[in-house]
Amino acid sequence: EAQVTQNPRYLITVTGKKLTVTCSQNMNHEYMSWYRQDPGLGLRQIYYSMNVEVTDKGDVPEGYKVSRKEKRNFPLILESPSPNQTSLYFCASSLSYFDEQYFGPGTRLTVT
Amino acid sequence: GNSVTQMEGPVTLSEEAFLTINCTYTATGYPSLFWYVQYPGEGLQLLLKATKADDKGSNKGFEATYRKETTSFHLEKGSVQVSDSAVYFCALSDQPGGYQKVTFGTGTKLQVIP
Repeated sequence: EAQVTQNPRYLITVTGKKLTVTCSQNMNHEYMSWYRQDPGLGLRQIYYSMNVEVTDKGDVPEGYKVSRKEKRNFPLILESPSPNQTSLYFCASSLSYFDEQYFGPGTRLTVT
Repeated sequence: GNSVTQMEGPVTLSEEAFLTINCTYTATGYPSLFWYVQYPGEGLQLLLKATKADDKGSNKGFEATYRKETTSFHLEKGSVQVSDSAVYFCALSDQPGGYQKVTFGTGTKLQVIP
């Protein structure tokens, strides 16, 4: 089954404790992206990747890091989480940036 | 930069009513346009798309036409069902200055009552 998986689905952590949210797709897609969803703000792009080892900032990259060492994986790293990073995070993949995106189920992160 | 503006919700309709959700955009290039739907507790999934001016995307009774002259991509459905209750997002993908970005609207919540 073609899918995008994210782990964990739910995470509660404390300020400053480094965390990683994993994302994996099995569709051989070139383009992968991370978004955060906040009430009243819709989805905002954090980072995206056009291919292995090629990443670029989206609209809200501050406080986040990403890497793309393999085509299928695109982890999101929060080196020092803060409460304003409490949000619902989605990973997505597509053949290219102008194709439809396939979304993961989401990760709800709470930083206290 | 690019932007997408959607009508604010929530929108509450009776079953079988006509639906319109407005979406307008600004973009520097020739974007592709999308409507995504998000059901409660789930990720987004594509509803329909259009890749060039005057294209009409359609799926599950929903339609939207890419209007370059009015920079709009309004979503319509002739007769909504309770199962259409969800949040609808308009989105565009573009390459402003070489950056391959995807921009979403804020979403419009639709509630259909029997």
